[in-house]
Amino acid sequence: SQKIEQNSEALNIQEGKTATLTCNYTNYSPAYLQWYRQDPGRGPVFLLLIRENEKEKRKERLKVTFDTTLKQSLFHITASQPADSATYLCALDYTGGGNKLTFGTGTQLKVEL
Amino acid sequence: DGGITQSPKYLFRKEGQNVTLSCEQNLNHDAMYWYRQDPGQGLRLIYYSQIVNDFQKGDIAEGYSVSREKKESFPLTVTSAQKNPTAFYLCASRYRDGNYGYTFGSGTRLTVV
Repeated sequence: SQKIEQNSEALNIQEGKTATLTCNYTNYSPAYLQWYRQDPGRGPVFLLLIRENEKEKRKERLKVTFDTTLKQSLFHITASQPADSATYLCALDYTGGGNKLTFGTGTQLKVEL
Repeated sequence: DGGITQSPKYLFRKEGQNVTLSCEQNLNHDAMYWYRQDPGQGLRLIYYSQIVNDFQKGDIAEGYSVSREKKESFPLTVTSAQKNPTAFYLCASRYRDGNYGYTFGSGTRLTVV
């Protein structure tokens, strides 16, 4: 069966460090992979999209990598700040999936002073 | 300002009642989606619609119904057949081309009393 896995344990890091979150998937042929940020009680907010033929995408302090051989995406936040504390969700839009996203369960990030 | 609006923010349902959650967007997006979020389970797709007057079941459609009579609107009805409706419901939209992220509403928290 198809599965998207994100680390369910919270990631705690110090302000100024780089946070790295992992998204692994099985039995998908993804067309796109997306990352979202979600704050408690709010809807997710779109951050970045990376296509299957792209290795890396950057936006300000954010960087996403996509390795279709390893079936893994890494999401990096450089120079992290307490305001970056949130839950981060990865989602796949896969070939033959009917143009809809399947989400992972998310990883909670806490950036401490 | 363009956006996607969900109402109400909080909704209480008695056993055996049907309730309807509203979702309206003025982004001129073609596709609209309904997700359900439970603690520790991530987002699960209920129904989605790519164009007006057409919609498809997602992974957990049982006990729910939708309509798409206008491009801007995609209401979700939680019927009495849904045995465990207490959850956070999220509506999203995007352009039909999968090369874009989703825009989410702020959610409706439904509680059975």
